[in-house]
Amino acid sequence: NAGVTQTPKFQVLKTGQSMTLQCAQDMNHEYMSWYRQDPGMGLRLIHYSVGAGITDQGEVPNGYNVSRSTTEDFPLRLLSAAPSQTSVYFCASTGAGETQYFGPGTRLLVL
Amino acid sequence: DQQVKQNSPSLSVQEGRISILNCDYTNSMFDYFLWYKKYPAEGPTFLISISSIKDKNEDGRFTVFLNKSAKHLSLHIVPSQPGDSAVYFCAASIYSGAGSYQLTFGKGTKLSVIP
Repeated sequence: NAGVTQTPKFQVLKTGQSMTLQCAQDMNHEYMSWYRQDPGMGLRLIHYSVGAGITDQGEVPNGYNVSRSTTEDFPLRLLSAAPSQTSVYFCASTGAGETQYFGPGTRLLVL
Repeated sequence: DQQVKQNSPSLSVQEGRISILNCDYTNSMFDYFLWYKKYPAEGPTFLISISSIKDKNEDGRFTVFLNKSAKHLSLHIVPSQPGDSAVYFCAASIYSGAGSYQLTFGKGTKLSVIP
């Protein structure tokens, strides 16, 4: 099992550009989520999904879109990148006992 | 409004001694508490958890204590080892319906274990 995988590992964008952060899991988990981690802020929930075709907003959803067409994949889209979206992004999927398994993260720099 | 608070940004401990990391929460509806460990440039990894109906859970060198009346939990690491040096996140879970649990994280405590 690869667990939770994320691509790319690092990305530089210019303000206004769009991009998609990829996330995939091979554990057949229904619940997946996206977080951003900023210095001194901990992990903040952006969007989550309880299963294919179902998504909902978390604490900081503005500027991001998600979709869940399959159980395995949960991509995060930045519609028009802003410097405030410079962060480290973590995707997670939830197994038994509410334990979340995290991917290795994507470091995003928006200039 | 922070629902999960880790008031110590950092902690230094000598190798072999006990490390105690603290976490406070405000929402009495949280039903599950977890600790995650994070090394630089890696994703957080699950360490240990405790249900709100228990007051202690132990796994090897790691023990989590929950005091519901004080809305406080702590993670004890005994004995501390240099490999334990990492950022530790406290998280609390609440059932939000339709089979989903939402985690709320604290800001983390950076533990440094000095050889």
